Order: sequence, then C-alpha cells, then structure tokens
Amino acid sequence: RKEVEQDPGPFNVPEGATVAFNCTYSNSASQSFFWYRQDCRKEPKLLMSVYSSGNEDGRFTAQLNRASQYISLLIRDSKLSDSATYLCVVNIMDTGRRALTFGSGTRLQVQP
Amino acid sequence: NAGVTQTPKFQVLKTGQSMTLQCAQDMNHNSMYWYRQDPGMGLRLIYYSASEGTTDKGEVPNGYNVSRLNKREFSLRLESAAPSQTSVYFCASTRDTPQPQHFGDGTRLSIL
Repeated sequence: RKEVEQDPGPFNVPEGATVAFNCTYSNSASQSFFWYRQDCRKEPKLLMSVYSSGNEDGRFTAQLNRASQYISLLIRDSKLSDSATYLCVVNIMDTGRRALTFGSGTRLQVQP
Repeated sequence: NAGVTQTPKFQVLKTGQSMTLQCAQDMNHNSMYWYRQDPGMGLRLIYYSASEGTTDKGEVPNGYNVSRLNKREFSLRLESAAPSQTSVYFCASTRDTPQPQHFGDGTRLSIL
C-alpha cells in the first residue's frame, strides 16, 4: 500500500464549480501535511499547509482528519487557471527518513 | 531572488555515459533533495541531505550518487546512464524537515 494515496482523476469541472479532493495516508505518525500544485511540465509549488483545525486561503480550504487519516482540499468557484495537478504531501516522522512523502497527484481540468 | 537553480535544463545522453546534475539554493536552507518524476509515478526521492556534510538514500537511490558540496550546492551524478533513468529530475530545499520544500524548475533527461 502506498504511504500517500490520491485519486488520479482527471476531475473535469465547469468554471464556477466546487470541487473536492481527498488524500489518505497510511502512517499515523505523520505530523505535517501540505497541498502542492504542479502545472504541466513545471515544478511543484506549495499551495497551502494543512493545519489540524482546518484552514482557508481565499477559495481554497484544507481539512485534516487524523482519526481517519485523510486530508482534503476544497476549491470553490473554480477558475480556468486552477487546472493543474494537486499533490498531497505528508511528513512521516517514524521512517527515519527526514523527507516529505508525495502522493502521485490528482489532475483537475476546469472547462469553460 | 533565484531560489533553487538547476542546471542543465535539458540533456540527452547515450547509454553508459556519465553526467552530473547541479543544484544550488540561495535561501540558506539546511536540507536539500533530489527527486525523479515519471509519468503516473509521482515524485520519488532519490537522495537527500538533511544538513551540510550528510547524505542519505531515499526511495530509489540505485544508479545515482550525490555530493553535498557546501550548504548551497547539492549535485546528483549518474555514473553509467541507463534508459530507465530517463525522467524529469527535480532538486528541492527546505530550512528543515518538516517545513515545505522549494523546488527548482527541473532537468529533463533522456537516455538513448
């Protein structure tokens, strides 16, 4: 089982729609969580960190459910420019590896 | 502010050739990372350096070597390139795990 799992999509949504992505992680020792965005043939860029109480940044809302070991990202009022792959990222503390673990990504295509 | 700089951006090699991918960051970060990204596979960690003077294997280290030359620079070497190493390579840095990572814009490597 992968340490971080995401639905690969693609999610095809019309402009203005609300879309949600989920991500599950296997290791309960995980302590830090992020969502990254990656445009086609570009480097990943940090979208937002995910805090235990949930957090919002404009049209984007991130939630963490430690009991069920999943993270979600909600995008409201989708824009064409939101089309990208969204990577779920987890810091797993007990592997002895001081590095983040990336999911394979969920592709979003916003259509006019 | 350049952030993370990778060179070269593109490279074509023949099987058996060697080459070094260069990475430098100007953010005074302690930790640096090398990833490869293949279609549908997500980012996979090759090697990382948690601090100057240390290096550790990641998920897919075979066929690669690294050098943390100083705090700024972290190079990745392919001693005898194989077609299976055709990929996009990303370098990243962070002040310290579990902080989010900043990525370079990648090196596209093709091995014939």
